[in-house]
Amino acid sequence: SAVISQKPSRDICQRGTSLTIQCQVDSQVTMMFWYRQQPGQSLTLIATANQGSEATYESGFVIDKFPISRPNLTFSTLTVSNMSPEDSSIYLCSVEGSRGRGTDTQYFGPGTRLTVL
Amino acid sequence: AQSVSQHNHHVILSEAASLELGCNYSYGGTVNLFWYVQYPGQHLQLLLKYFSGDPLVKGIKGFEAEFIKSKFSFNLRKPSVQWSDTAEYFCAVKTGGGNKLTFGTGTQLKVEL
Repeated sequence: SAVISQKPSRDICQRGTSLTIQCQVDSQVTMMFWYRQQPGQSLTLIATANQGSEATYESGFVIDKFPISRPNLTFSTLTVSNMSPEDSSIYLCSVEGSRGRGTDTQYFGPGTRLTVL
Repeated sequence: AQSVSQHNHHVILSEAASLELGCNYSYGGTVNLFWYVQYPGQHLQLLLKYFSGDPLVKGIKGFEAEFIKSKFSFNLRKPSVQWSDTAEYFCAVKTGGGNKLTFGTGTQLKVEL
C-alpha cells in the first residue's frame, strides 16, 4: 500500500518569504491533492495537482500564491508564496488511486505545520 | 455548494460508554461518505467509507456508521469506547462523482479512564 511522506514536517518562516513543501508517494497514484487546515478549522482543498499540466485550483486559491508542480505520478510540490501570518496552517498532501488501495478514496500524508512570523 | 455539518465539536466520555457522532450533509444527488480519524500526533487516517449497498458500514477498531439518505446523515457509532479512541474525527463527503472531498469541522473526542 502507498506510503506518503511530506517534507518539511514543520517550519517557521518570516513574512514575505516563500516555502516549498514536497509530497512523495512510494507508488504511482492517479490523483494528488493539497489541503490546508487552519488553526481550529477543518480541512479545505486548495487544488488538485495534475501530472504534466497546470493544477486545478478551488475558489479562493490562486496559482500566484500557491504554485503547484507535479512532474510525475509519485511526486508533487506546493509553494506558499509571499507568506503572511494568515498562512500559518497545516498543509496536507493526499493521494487517490494507488495500487492496492483502489480509487475514490483519499489517503493523507502526515502534513507540514507552517508558522509565519 | 455542498456542506458538511458536525454538530458535536467536543465530546467527553468515560471508557465503555457508547458513542454517536453526528454528520449531516447538504447535497441531493449521489454521495460518497467518509469518516477519518486523527489520533494525537498522527496523520489523518480512514476509519470507514460508504459508496453504495448496505447503508450500515463497518470500519476499523469497532466503529460503524449508518447512511440514512432521507435524513442526509452519516452518523458514526461505537458501542463501547476505549481510552485509545481519544482523537479528532472528521466526516467528509464527495458528491456527483467528483474528486473533491468536503470536510466537516471535526469532533474532538476525549475518553476518560
